[in-house]
Amino acid sequence: GDSVTQTEGPVTVSESESLIINCTYSATSIAYPNLFWYVRYPGEGLQLLLKVITAGQKGSSRGFEATYNKETTSFHLQKASVQESDSAVYYCALGDPWNNAGAKLTFGGGTRLTVRP
Amino acid sequence: DPKIIQKPKYLVAVTGSEKILICEQYLGHNAMYWYRQSAKKPLEFMFSYSYQKLMDNQTASSRFQPQSSKKNHLDLQITALKPDDSATYFCASSRPQISNERLFFGHGTKLSVL
Repeated sequence: GDSVTQTEGPVTVSESESLIINCTYSATSIAYPNLFWYVRYPGEGLQLLLKVITAGQKGSSRGFEATYNKETTSFHLQKASVQESDSAVYYCALGDPWNNAGAKLTFGGGTRLTVRP
Repeated sequence: DPKIIQKPKYLVAVTGSEKILICEQYLGHNAMYWYRQSAKKPLEFMFSYSYQKLMDNQTASSRFQPQSSKKNHLDLQITALKPDDSATYFCASSRPQISNERLFFGHGTKLSVL
C-alpha cells in the first residue's frame, strides 16, 4: 500500500530560525500522486497549507515551501524564518489523482513544531 | 465560526455499546468524509460520500456505518464498540469529489472505549 513518512516530532526551534520537516512517500499504485501539507494550529481544525499536483513543481503558502521531487519521492516542507505563530502540527499527505471517489488521502504521522520566542 | 460541526467533542463508551458521532457541514459541499486517528497512528481514511451516496469504504468492519439524512450531514454509527475503536474521528468535506480538492476538517470527536 501507499505510505508517507515524515520527521518524527516534536521539533523545537527558535523564532527566526530556518525549518525543514522531511517527508518521503511510497506510492506503489500511483505513478504521480498529488502531494499535500496540512496543518493543525492549537484549537483549530486540520487545514490545507499547500498542495502540489505536478512533479517538479513547488508550492508555497504563509512563507512555507515544498517541492515535489519525483526522483527522491520527497516533499519536504521548508521555511526560512519561523515565527511563534507557526507552532502547530504538520501533516504530509498524498492522494491518487485518478481516484474519482473524492479526497482519499494517505497521511504521515504528523510533526509537532514548537517555536520558541 | 467552525463550518464543520462535530458532536460531541468527547465521548466515553463501554465495550459492546453503540454510539453515533454527529457531523454537519455548512460549507455547501457535496462530498463528505470520515477519517480516524488512533493513538500513535497516522490519520486514516474511512469513508467518502458524495450527494449522500457512498463512494468509497476503507473500513473493514461493518460495525462502522455512515448515515446521511441530509446533504450536509454525515453521521457515523459504531456498534459493538471495542477498546481498539478508541480514536479521534474527524469529519471532513470538499466541493466536487475530485482527488486534489482541498479538504475542510472538523475538530474531531475523541472516543474512548473502556
